[in-house]
This record gives sequence, structure tokens and C-alpha cells, in this order.
Amino acid sequence: QSVLTQPPSVSAAPGQKVTISCSGSSSNVGNNYVSWYQLLPGTAPKLLIYDNNNRPSGIPDRFSGSKSVTSATLDITGLQTGDEADYYCGTWDSGLRAAVFGTGTKVTVL
Amino acid sequence: QVHLVQSGGEVKKPGSSVKVSCQASGGTFSNYAITWVRQAPGQGLEWVGGIIPMMGVRNYAQKFQGRLTMTADKRANTAYMELSRLKSEDTAIYYCARTLRGGVTSSSGFDIWGQGTMVNVSS
Repeated sequence: QSVLTQPPSVSAAPGQKVTISCSGSSSNVGNNYVSWYQLLPGTAPKLLIYDNNNRPSGIPDRFSGSKSVTSATLDITGLQTGDEADYYCGTWDSGLRAAVFGTGTKVTVL
Repeated sequence: QVHLVQSGGEVKKPGSSVKVSCQASGGTFSNYAITWVRQAPGQGLEWVGGIIPMMGVRNYAQKFQGRLTMTADKRANTAYMELSRLKSEDTAIYYCARTLRGGVTSSSGFDIWGQGTMVNVSS
């Protein structure tokens, strides 16, 4: 049972924008950094965003992250067919003393 | 650029143990923490625990306490995750990943991932 809630799925046409939310609490999102991961079928997770809104080198600026109070958001603009994947948010939960991940969101490009 | 290379898939009987390795190729662990995450079939990501190989500091998820052991061979730049008393629910892909910054309680994110090791627990 994940402590971070994401929408099960989002979809949009190529070139459009999708927004994925990650809702938590003060013990996790509210007081810790949030990261975002992309899971393409059959591949290892890939870090897209760290420290709420920073991109590792090589990640296009179509991917952006933000955080407000106890919720975080991943935006994907200029959607491409290659963006079809599962996306997870992650952070540390100070109460559980454990790293936690969101429930995951499947992005579909229409 | 450091890569994390994991050992191959395993098929185990319930009640047995499995040990998965994660070797740093093209570099060393330095003072980074190595985290283990698993994904059961059709499920999401689940944190298993973490270790700082150079310091031996460990932090395990509560649900695995008592049957999880994380170790590291600094000279071989290899981290290990051993899970005992396996159950069918432990069937999953196990990933090792490098923590971007901080120790075993960091929220900074995991920037380098191994390719994953499938562990299948079946009678």
C-alpha cells in the first residue's frame, strides 16, 4: 500500500502536454525532496527529475517537476510516442523511515 | 561513467535464500549509498533497503527485517542483497541503484540503476 497517490493513467495526443500528480503528506513529500522515474517496458527505471525540479544531464527539458506543500507534479510537454511508459514519484518518508514510491501512472500517447 | 551490473536471474523454492550481486563497472562506489528496489509482476516499485558500501551503514525496510542482509565487498566494488525464507510474494525484479546524494535515508533520488535481476520463487 503506497503512501503516495498518483492517477492510474493519463493520456494525450502527440505534441500535447500531460500532468502527473503525486499526493503525499508532511512526513514525505511535504518535508523531503521528490524524484520522478520513467519505466519503459522491459527496462530499468530512469531518473527524470531529482530534488523536486532538477533534471539529470541528458533528460530533455520537455520533462519538468514541481512541488507545492504535500503534492508534487511531473509535466511532460511536446508528448512523443516514445514517452509511453509508467511513471513513478519517489521520496523519503520520515515517519516510516523508508523510501516510498507512488502508485504509478501509465502515460498513453493517443 | 559508472554502470551497475547485476547477477543473472534466479529460480528458488519457497523457504530458501537468494543472493543478488550488483557490481560497479567503470568506477567505484565511492561514498555513495546503494539502494535495492523491487517490482513484483504487475505491481509498482517497492524499496527494499540501502547500504553505503564504503562505510557498512545499512537501512532495511521494516517488512524485510530479520530475513534481509545487505553486504558489500569494497575491493570488488560489489554490493549484495540476500533475502532468506523466500515466499512466493518475493517473486519480483530486484534492482540496485545508486543514491544521487546523501546516505541510506536520503530523498535525493536514484540516478544509476542496474539492469535488474528476476527472482522467481516457486515450488
